[in-house]
This record gives sequence, C-alpha cells and structure tokens, in this order.
Amino acid sequence: NAGVMQNPRHLVRRRGQEARLRCSPMKGHSHVYWYRQLPEEGLKFMVYLQKENIIDESGMPKERFSAEFPKEGPSILRIQQVVRGDSAAYFCASSFGAETQYFGPGTRLLVL
Amino acid sequence: AQSVAQPEDQVNVAEGNPLTVKCTYSVSGNPYLFWYVQYPNRGLQFLLKYITGDNLVKGSYGFEAEFNKSQTSFHLKKPSALVSDSALYFCAVRDLTTDSWGKFQFGAGTQVVVTP
Repeated sequence: NAGVMQNPRHLVRRRGQEARLRCSPMKGHSHVYWYRQLPEEGLKFMVYLQKENIIDESGMPKERFSAEFPKEGPSILRIQQVVRGDSAAYFCASSFGAETQYFGPGTRLLVL
Repeated sequence: AQSVAQPEDQVNVAEGNPLTVKCTYSVSGNPYLFWYVQYPNRGLQFLLKYITGDNLVKGSYGFEAEFNKSQTSFHLKKPSALVSDSALYFCAVRDLTTDSWGKFQFGAGTQVVVTP
C-alpha cells in the first residue's frame, strides 16, 4: 500500500523559470493538500483540492502559483517565474474525507 | 479562526526520562487535534489524533496525548524517551465547523533532543 508520492524530491531552478511539483495521493484518497515549509519554520497551508475542484486556496499566493488535481493523474503545484523566496520544502498530503492527512516526503525547491 | 501554539521551541530530555511536548489550541467549534513527527529531510509522520471519546489518546511509538477541553490543550507525552525520539514535533488542529474545514493549522514545531 504505497503512501503519498511526490516528485521530484529535489528541484533546482533559476530565477524566472517554472517549477512543477507532482503529488500522487494514497490509494482511495480523493482529498489533496499542499503545504510549504520554509527553513526553520512550520508548515503553512497553501491549497486544498478534491478531484477537479479547488476547495480552499486561501493560503496560496495570488500571483505565480496555481494548483490542480485532474480527474486522472497526479495533483500539480505550479510556480511560474520562480524567485529566490520560493525556495522551500513543499509537502503534499492526502486524506479520505475529513480524517487524518498523510504526508509525502516533500519536494525541496532551490531557486538560484 | 483556528490557531495552534507550541510554546517551546526546543525540549531537552535525558534518555529514559518522561517527555512532554506542549500544545494549546483555539477554535470556534469542536477541534480535531493531531500530532505529527518530522525527521530531518523527511515528510511528516502521523503519531496520533483526537476526534472524540476518551481524552487520553494512544498513538504510535509509545506516544500518548491528553485532550483537556477546559485548558484547550493537547500535550504529547511519552513515559520513557529514547534517543531515536529526537525529531521535530508538530501539533495541528482542524475545525470542522468552519468553511475551510479541510485546512490544518500547524503549530510552529518543537524540536525534541534526547541525550544518552
């Protein structure tokens, strides 16, 4: 029973490039969440999605960031025109309804 | 609005001694409360949760937590700490009565250091 999968585990981008982070939820989970963790800080909620729908994006910056969870395939967090301040660990979690969220190993984004 | 406070940045304890990591919360409705542990360069691992029922919740790796409604606390405890318990611990709350019920609010984290 595979857990939450995220790829890539590490991603290096230069300023101005695009970053695409992928998350495959646990089998049977239709709820996906994205969080960002800055160095020496806790996790900050970004967005909550169900299949094909964004439920809550109150934590997502209005510019350059977008997320999707299509009917088929993984959830994607997309960051356009990355800046150094986007360097962080991005974690995806999934759940079956309003229950425990299970986290993936994270994608560590470094913007040069 | 929901919020979580972990008042200690770091907790130091000798191996074999009891370990307590503190957490207090604030929600407008009934809380779902969770504890997670994070090892270096890893994701968060679920330890335990309180939804309803007994105030004392038992979880993974010998950890337990006590829900105290009057003090709005959910402290994590382990009777006898191990060096391998050294990690970053996060408390989280979920308020199902709000519009954004899917969102976890995490505390800032408490670094636990267990010395041999």
